[in-house]
Amino acid sequence: KNQVEQSPQSLIILEGKNCTLQCNYTVSPFSNLRWYKQDTGRGPVSLTIMTFSENTKSNGRYTATLDADTKQSSLHITASQLSDSASYICVVRQTGANNLFFGTGTRLTVIP
Amino acid sequence: GAVVSQHPSRVICKSGTSVKIECRSLDFQATTMFWYRQFPKQSLMLMATSNEGSKATYEQGVEKDKFLINHASLTLSTLTVTSAHPEDSSFYICSASVGGGAYEQYFGPGTRLTVT
Repeated sequence: KNQVEQSPQSLIILEGKNCTLQCNYTVSPFSNLRWYKQDTGRGPVSLTIMTFSENTKSNGRYTATLDADTKQSSLHITASQLSDSASYICVVRQTGANNLFFGTGTRLTVIP
Repeated sequence: GAVVSQHPSRVICKSGTSVKIECRSLDFQATTMFWYRQFPKQSLMLMATSNEGSKATYEQGVEKDKFLINHASLTLSTLTVTSAHPEDSSFYICSASVGGGAYEQYFGPGTRLTVT
């Protein structure tokens, strides 16, 4: 069964601290994996996209990693800011189909 | 680029009435549009996929007669919730892509529907 699981479900960190969000998937065949940021009451916005051959990709303070062998990805946020408070969703695309498989997200709260 | 808008952003309607939600791709032609529903603290669930000029393909368990989807042009798709009930209250998000398959989906900002 194609699934995407994220952990932790929620996370509270102090402003300026780093954090790492996890995503494990069983989607096959694998095409790509995206991390999205979803602010409350808004649509998801893409942060990074990882393909099979990519191990690490950065976008500012966001760094995503992918281990296609273990089917795991992580999103590392450096020097967190209050505006980073949002849900972060891992989405895996299956090759050859329109199908996107969404994780349930990690709700990050950054406090001053 | 790749901006998708939705209108309205919030709507409150009475039980039994119908409500229409618009999804527009502002700076590109969207061959394919997707409609999602998101309940509180849950992830997005695909409701249907529509290609311009053809009938939408609904996911299992989604009533096509209740959730009417029209994709009449390459920049506009509409979702009409007919005879809405309180359990239809949810956050509805559309996305658009220039094609199906491996093309990126660009998400709209969502529409909060509350049925009283």
